[in-house]
Amino acid sequence: DGGITQSPKYLFRKEGQNVTLSCEQNLNHDAMYWYRQDPGQGLRLIYYSQIVNDFQKGDIAEGYSVSREKKESFPLTVTSAQKNPTAFYLCASSPNLSGGVSNEQFFGPGTRLTVL
Amino acid sequence: AQKITQTQPGMFVQEKEAVTLDCTYDTSDQSYGLFWYKQPSSGEMIFLIYQGSYDEQNATEGRYSLNFQKARKSANLVISASQLGDSAMYFCAMRGRKGRRALTFGSGTRLQVQP
Repeated sequence: DGGITQSPKYLFRKEGQNVTLSCEQNLNHDAMYWYRQDPGQGLRLIYYSQIVNDFQKGDIAEGYSVSREKKESFPLTVTSAQKNPTAFYLCASSPNLSGGVSNEQFFGPGTRLTVL
Repeated sequence: AQKITQTQPGMFVQEKEAVTLDCTYDTSDQSYGLFWYKQPSSGEMIFLIYQGSYDEQNATEGRYSLNFQKARKSANLVISASQLGDSAMYFCAMRGRKGRRALTFGSGTRLQVQP
């Protein structure tokens, strides 16, 4: 089945440690996104990538880093510089970005990160 | 810049009744798209319905319809014949044609359907 997978589902990290969240899609989508969601709140954009080997900062990129070496993969690293990383992280993808506004984003199941 | 406002943090509805979830938006783009997503307690984001800014008719998808009032910059979601399984968070989002292509989300409305 086509879709987006995120792993792990739950992740625990000690303060001061970097951690990498995986996101893989087999939908052949060009664009991929990372969002952060805090309890009872909406989604905020961390990073996005419109094409392989290119990515852009979103609204809350500080303390995070990404790479896009393959079309199907967009891992997110939460670094020790991120002051409050405990949150729910959602990865998404969408098809061609030739200018259309109608392309919905497909979401993965999310990773819940807790800093101990 | 784009902004989505959802002013109802929580809503209650009786099973089988209709409910309207409010969404207003702000954008300088002439062409844009509006989306509604449902997020159950499991956390997954489920796409419900889409409305384009140039669409003349309101979008409908089964029990979901979008009440689009362009002049008022509102895109309210109407759920007819509510079911217990509709209890979830609902997010309004938009994408503009220019600049960043990611969705901008509102803060969400938590809907609880009561038997």
